[in-house]
Amino acid sequence: NAGVTQTPKFQVLKTGQSMTLQCAQDMNHEYMSWYRQDPGMGLRLIHYSVGAGITDQGEVPNGYNVSRSTTEDFPLRLLSAAPSQTSVYFCASSYLDLAVTREGYTFGSGTRLTVV
Amino acid sequence: GENVEQHPSTLSVQEGDSAVIKCTYSDSASNYFPWYKQELGKRPQLIIDIRSNVGEKKDQRIAVTLNKTAKHFSLHITETQPEDSAVYFCAATLYAGKSTFGDGTTLTVKP
Repeated sequence: NAGVTQTPKFQVLKTGQSMTLQCAQDMNHEYMSWYRQDPGMGLRLIHYSVGAGITDQGEVPNGYNVSRSTTEDFPLRLLSAAPSQTSVYFCASSYLDLAVTREGYTFGSGTRLTVV
Repeated sequence: GENVEQHPSTLSVQEGDSAVIKCTYSDSASNYFPWYKQELGKRPQLIIDIRSNVGEKKDQRIAVTLNKTAKHFSLHITETQPEDSAVYFCAATLYAGKSTFGDGTTLTVKP
């Protein structure tokens, strides 16, 4: 049982380049989400999904795209990287009814992205 | 949508003392309140949670209390140890898995 797998762990991009951060979970979780964590800023929600084919914007969606073609995978695409997107990115997944399952979010190990 | 405020942003205590972190939320429909611990360079991990129909929950040295009327909940750590040093996040869950996080509290336990 791998939990939530994020790749890559580290990435350096040049301004204007695009890339995809991968996230996969093997727990059959309906809910998946992407957060960015900047120093002193906490966890800010980028995009989330409540099931295959369903995605929605979070607090800071600009410059990012997502898709959810399967229950397991939820990739995050940076369209044209900017220095302001330098951050640590976490993927998280859970069951939909957190108050019933009581397991909270399972986070991936994170991707440290630097845009130069 | 939900809004969560967390205080204090930093907290320093002596080993053996207690630590309290407080959070308030805005939407009375939120029904699940988890707390996460994030050690330096690692991912956040769930340490304790409480549902809206419960007022208090305890797990060894950590406890969480919930006041639904006032819309605030708190994390209590007793007999703190250096390994408790980390960033702690509260969260409130409104619906369908979506949790809103507080900004985090950096706890430092001095030996």
